[in-house]
Amino acid sequence: SQKIEQNSEALNIQEGKTATLTCNYTNYSPAYLQWYRQDPGRGPVFLLLIRENEKEKRKERLKVTFDTTLKQSLFHITASQPADSATYLCVSPGGNSGGYQKVTFGIGTKLQVIP
Amino acid sequence: EAQVTQNPRYLITVTGKKLTVTCSQNMNHEYMSWYRQDPGLGLRQIYYSMNVEVTDKGDVPEGYKVSRKEKRNFPLILESPSPNQTSLYFCASSFGRTASSYEQYFGPGTRLTVT
Repeated sequence: SQKIEQNSEALNIQEGKTATLTCNYTNYSPAYLQWYRQDPGRGPVFLLLIRENEKEKRKERLKVTFDTTLKQSLFHITASQPADSATYLCVSPGGNSGGYQKVTFGIGTKLQVIP
Repeated sequence: EAQVTQNPRYLITVTGKKLTVTCSQNMNHEYMSWYRQDPGLGLRQIYYSMNVEVTDKGDVPEGYKVSRKEKRNFPLILESPSPNQTSLYFCASSFGRTASSYEQYFGPGTRLTVT
């Protein structure tokens, strides 16, 4: 079945460093991937979308890459700040039975930026 | 203000007592969806709707019902809640009739406890 995997371990980094989060997918080829931010007890908030024919997308301090050979997307936050501390979710179209009507979320990676 | 609203935000109920969680969006979005979020499992799609009177199952539909009689509203119905439905529920909407590349807007969440 289709699967999205994110490192569910928390990622701790020092303020000012670049945080890199990984999203791997298996058994399918999504046409795009989205990244969301979620704060505790709140709904996810959209950050970036990258399509399969795009290698890289940037928005301010955020950068996302999409490697269809490795079946992987990397999400980078440069010059990280304590306010960036949150859980980051990788999202793809398609559920267990495929199709673009469903949506599959990765479990998320919790980022903690230490001052 | 463009938003997705959910009510109630918190609910404690007993096994077997029917309940409805309401969801409403003011962005004229075609696509609406319900998710549940559980520790260690992430966000999982329950049901989605591509348009008025068009709904379909997500990955975890058992024990839930939905309806889409109006474009703006997408209530989630638990006919006979059970303790394994204790969870944090999110409603979301997006432009377009599929889980397309448009971002999803999430509601604030409903924390349900079934005893």
